[in-house]
This record gives sequence, structure tokens and C-alpha cells, in this order.
Amino acid sequence: AIQLTQSPSSLSASVGDRVTITCRASQGVSSALAWYQQKPGKAPKLLISDTSSLESGVPSRFSGSGSGTDFTLTISGLQPEDFATYYCQQFNTYPLFGGGTKVEIK
Amino acid sequence: VQLVESGGGLIQPGGSLRLSCAASDFIVSTNFMRWVRQAPGEGLEWVSVIYSDGTTFYADSVQGRFTISRDNSKNTLYLQMNSLRADDTAMYYCVRDRDKTGSGFDIWGQGTMVTVSS
Repeated sequence: AIQLTQSPSSLSASVGDRVTITCRASQGVSSALAWYQQKPGKAPKLLISDTSSLESGVPSRFSGSGSGTDFTLTISGLQPEDFATYYCQQFNTYPLFGGGTKVEIK
Repeated sequence: VQLVESGGGLIQPGGSLRLSCAASDFIVSTNFMRWVRQAPGEGLEWVSVIYSDGTTFYADSVQGRFTISRDNSKNTLYLQMNSLRADDTAMYYCVRDRDKTGSGFDIWGQGTMVTVSS
């Protein structure tokens, strides 16, 4: 079965920093990779679908890229409201989520 | 456009519970609808899906114990959970597929908590 490994599992960053989160699949997947943001006590929110398509209303500082087995979520210019946990997800067979990356304030 | 779950609670191991998810401003039966759960402090796990044609699938961890269904007249999604175990303890979210190509879950409910404990 495919596994999705996110790295790092957590990171500390400052407002204004550029942050990159990696999602690695144990085998090649289609372009159907999504990224979600989850804040404490809240449901996840879809940020990016199809690897790089930004959802409506999501700030342009978020971007996604990648193919095959390696995918990245980049936040260019971290804002206070971006401190949260981020999950990747693929749909190659059944929906599978990565383990999450917690972005904390330095 | 929103989803509102209900039906969670504290249940003893081996018991049953039915979760409901009422949809507003879109039609459940014309969309792919799923249940996703999150154990306390843990990540996300897909549980089940019902496609617009009524086809259903389940994660191995719940196969044979959980049943997903919908009531078109009530525009509501359900999850019948039987033979509950401690490791079913989680927040359960109902979600809508963004489209039918598997590109993401664009609408999430607020979640309903299920605690399985004696």
C-alpha cells in the first residue's frame, strides 16, 4: 500500500519566513494530491487540489508543486494566521493522508 | 453550503451508534460524500465513501462494521457504526468531494465526537 510521508513533522518559523513542507509517496501517484490546513479544534480546510490548483479564497502566498513521488507545499511570507497543521492527501487508490506538519511560531 | 454532523457521544465497546450529516445548499445524492475521522491528537483517516450512483467503499479498519448511506428526501448522509471498539474513538467529519475526479474534499462539517469506552 502507498504511504505518504510528510517532512518535517513540525517546524518553528517566524512571520514573514518562507516555509516548505514536503510530502513523499512510497510509489508514484497521479497528479491528484491535495493539501489541507487544520487549526486547533477546527475541521481541515482544502488549500490546494490537483497538486498546484489554489482553492478559491486561499491567499496566493500558498503554492503547491511536484509530481511522481515528491510534492511540496510552500508558504511564501508566513502570516500569523498560517500557524496550523498541514496535511497532504492522495487519491491513487483510496484517500490517504500524510501524517501532518505542525507549523509553530518561533 | 455547509454540512452539520450529529449523533456522536459516549458508547460502550461493542455498542452501536448512527451519525447523521445534514447538508445545506447542495444536493448530497449528486455528489461523492465521505466520512473521515481523526483520533485525538492524531492524523486524518478516510473511513467510507458513497458515490452519486450509490456505490460504497470502506476502509479495511471498518469494513463489515460500518455502513454509509443517505436519505435523499432529507438531503442527509449517515454512518451506522456497529461493534464499536476503543480504537474507533475519534472526531468524525462528513465531507464532500470537490468533484468526481478525486481532487480533494472541499466541504467539511464541524465534526461529531465518538468516544468508545466502558
